[in-house]
Amino acid sequence: AQSVAQPEDQVNVAEGNPLTVKCTYSVSGNPYLFWYVQYPNRGLQFLLKYITGDNLVKGSYGFEAEFNKSQTSFHLKKPSALVSDSALYFCAVRESSSASKIIFGSGTRLSIRP
Amino acid sequence: DVKVTQSSRYLVKRTGEKVFLECVQDMDHENMFWYRQDPGLGLRLIYFSYDVKMKEKGDIPEGYSVSREKKERFSLILESASTNQTSMYLCASSRGQLSYEQYFGPGTRLTVT
Repeated sequence: AQSVAQPEDQVNVAEGNPLTVKCTYSVSGNPYLFWYVQYPNRGLQFLLKYITGDNLVKGSYGFEAEFNKSQTSFHLKKPSALVSDSALYFCAVRESSSASKIIFGSGTRLSIRP
Repeated sequence: DVKVTQSSRYLVKRTGEKVFLECVQDMDHENMFWYRQDPGLGLRLIYFSYDVKMKEKGDIPEGYSVSREKKERFSLILESASTNQTSMYLCASSRGQLSYEQYFGPGTRLTVT
């Protein structure tokens, strides 16, 4: 069965520093991976996806994610964090038995201090 | 822009009540989903629908049912609410069979007392 793991419940970063939010996955077949973000009191928003091709995927708000097949990881990154990046981040993987379904990780709360 | 709306942001119900959560999307999406979000557990799929009157169970369907009579509307029903159903409920929609991006509503925070 497909699954994703987010090993950190919380990540704290100073504004202006680079940030990384970790995600590892387990899939049968080719992985289809996603990152979503949830700002306070709002629904989830799509950030980026990896389907195939370049291992470095660029998304919204300056975020990018690096797909690493050998380490089965899909870490979210940003070169310079902003206070406004503080939010809850979810990694997700497509369910292989149903192309429409995706499975979400437990979430990582990112806190950027001024 | 895709818009997914949910009927209530906050809802308080009593144990044993029948509860209806409504979701409407305005982009003619085929697929609609109901999740519940609990701290430390992420999002868990309750039910989804890939067409009008079609539904499939997700990972945690027990205690819930759904209805999709029109393409744009997907309802989640708690037949007899219980305190362990206190949670944030999120509705989402997506297009077609190979759609990768889901669009979410703002959520309904349900408290069952």
